[in-house]
Amino acid sequence: QKEVEQNSGPLSVPEGAIASLNCTYSDRGSQSFFWYRQYSGKSPELIMFIYSNGDKEDGRFTAQLNKASQYVSLLIRDSQPSDSATYLCAVNPRFYNTDKLIFGTGTRLQVFP
Amino acid sequence: DAGVIQSPRHEVTEMGQEVTLRCKPISGHDYLFWYRQTMMRGLELLIYFNNNVPIDDSGMPEDRFSAKMPNASFSTLKIQPSEPRDSAVYFCASSSTGGNGYEQYFGPGTRLTVT
Repeated sequence: QKEVEQNSGPLSVPEGAIASLNCTYSDRGSQSFFWYRQYSGKSPELIMFIYSNGDKEDGRFTAQLNKASQYVSLLIRDSQPSDSATYLCAVNPRFYNTDKLIFGTGTRLQVFP
Repeated sequence: DAGVIQSPRHEVTEMGQEVTLRCKPISGHDYLFWYRQTMMRGLELLIYFNNNVPIDDSGMPEDRFSAKMPNASFSTLKIQPSEPRDSAVYFCASSSTGGNGYEQYFGPGTRLTVT
């Protein structure tokens, strides 16, 4: 089992719809969770992070964390064509007592007009 | 702030040649990470430093890879000899906090092609 798993996609949604991106992780002791966005040919950039169970909202983005189910998701409301990118889920595996992040392979999102 | 700076942006080399990738982290950041990204394997952590000291190099694929951080503002990743399977985008990232999680700032990457 991979440490951080994501569906590779592509996930296609129409403009204005809600895009839902999902991620599961294997280390139950993980403490912090991140969503990075990567446009084609560019470097990853952080868009959200979450530490506590529940929802965290930032503009059109909402991160949801369920530690019992080892599941983290990212919702993008009112999706725009400019949101089309690969979204990487990253987890800090506290069990290993390190400062590194483990990344999933990413989900490609396509928002069509 | 100029962000994380990497050079070169593109490198094309022949199999067997030595390749050196360079990174300048954001000033004041005390963590530096080297990643490799491919379509098949995604973003893989190769090695990371804290205060210029290598902390975890378990992701370095083999002895052909080496990394150094002689000071807080410069790091290199060297591949010698290079092989076609080393072709990938190599990212450097830096951050300024540790513990339970933190934001990593990525450089623009170096696209390496080994023929």
